[in-house]
Formats: sequence, C-alpha cells, structure tokens
Amino acid sequence: NAGVTQTPKFRILKIGQSMTLQCTQDMNHNYMYWYRQDPGMGLKLIYYSVGAGITDKGEVPNGYNVSRSTTEDFPLRLELAAPSQTSVYFCASRETGGGHNQPQHFGDGTRLSIL
Amino acid sequence: AQSVAQPEDQVNVAEGNPLTVKCTYSVSGNPYLFWYVQYPNRGLQFLLKYITGDNLVKGSYGFEAEFNKSQTSFHLKKPSALVSDSALYFCAVRVRDDKIIFGKGTRLHILP
Repeated sequence: NAGVTQTPKFRILKIGQSMTLQCTQDMNHNYMYWYRQDPGMGLKLIYYSVGAGITDKGEVPNGYNVSRSTTEDFPLRLELAAPSQTSVYFCASRETGGGHNQPQHFGDGTRLSIL
Repeated sequence: AQSVAQPEDQVNVAEGNPLTVKCTYSVSGNPYLFWYVQYPNRGLQFLLKYITGDNLVKGSYGFEAEFNKSQTSFHLKKPSALVSDSALYFCAVRVRDDKIIFGKGTRLHILP
C-alpha cells in the first residue's frame, strides 16, 4: 500500500515557468488537500477536494490551480512561477467513513525553488 | 474565530525526562483534535486524535495527549523522552467537515 505519492520530490523553476505537481493516492479517499509549508509558518491550505469533479479554494489559492478528474489523482498547477511560491508542497488525503475525525495521510512533499 | 495555537516554537528536554508539547484551540461545538509528527524531509505522520469523552488519549510511539475542556487545551505528553523523538510536532483541529487547520508547529529537541 503506497499511500499518498507525490512527484517530483525536488524541482527548480525559473520565474514565469509553469509546472504541475502530481499527487496520487491508492486508499480510495474522497477528500484530498494541497498545503504549502514555509519555515515557522505551519501548513497553509491551498486547495482541497471532497470528491472527483469538486474542488474548492483554501487560504492561499492565488497563483495555483487544481483539478480532480479521478478519485486517485489531485494535481496542483503553477501557471506563472514566482519567487514567493518557493516552498515545500504537501498533498494529503482523508477518508470520510467513520465520521469526520479521521486523520489525514500525507505524502513526503515536493520541494520547489523558484529562481 | 476558530484557531489552534502552539505557544512554543521549540522545546528542549533531556533524554529520559517527561516531555510536554502545548496546544490550545478555539472552535465552536465539539472539538476534533489531532497531533502529527514530521521528521526531516518527510510528510506529517498521524500520532493520535481526541475521542469525545476520553481526557487522556494514547497514540503511537508511546505518546499520549491530555484534553482539558475548561482550558481548551490538548497537550502532547510522553513519560520518558527518547533522542529519536526529536522532530517537528503539529497540533490540528477540524473546523468544518472538510477542513482542518494546523498550528505553526513546535520543534522538539531531546538532548542525550
């Protein structure tokens, strides 16, 4: 059971370039999330999805887009990379069975630098 | 406003001593609370969660958490710290069915 898998693990982009951060989970979880982690700032929610075809903005969505065409995949796209988007990005998923106190499962992150 | 706070950026504890990592929260309704741990270059790993009615919750790796409704706290504890417990710890609270917010994290250093 692979859990939540993120690719790539590391990436360096130039300002203005675009890229897609991939996230896939094999646990059949309906809820999926994208966070960014900056030093001393905890995790900030970028976008989330409660199921295939449904996405919604989190706290810091500007500069990002997402799609959810399948239960398994939840890619995050950066259209015009900016230095402020240098961060570590985490994808997470959560099951909804058994009530809403189920924990999130995290991938190991993508470390992104914009130069 | 619904929130979660970890008042200490860093906690230092000698190996073998008890440790406490503090967390306070503010939510409407019953709280759904979690603790996660993050090791270097890894994602967050679930440690334990609050279950309504249990003031002391036991979790992974010998950790436990004490829930105090009157103080709106959910402190993480361990009776005897190990060097391998050194990591970044996050408290989290569910604020809506589909959303959880995280504290800023507390770095725990266990000194050999």
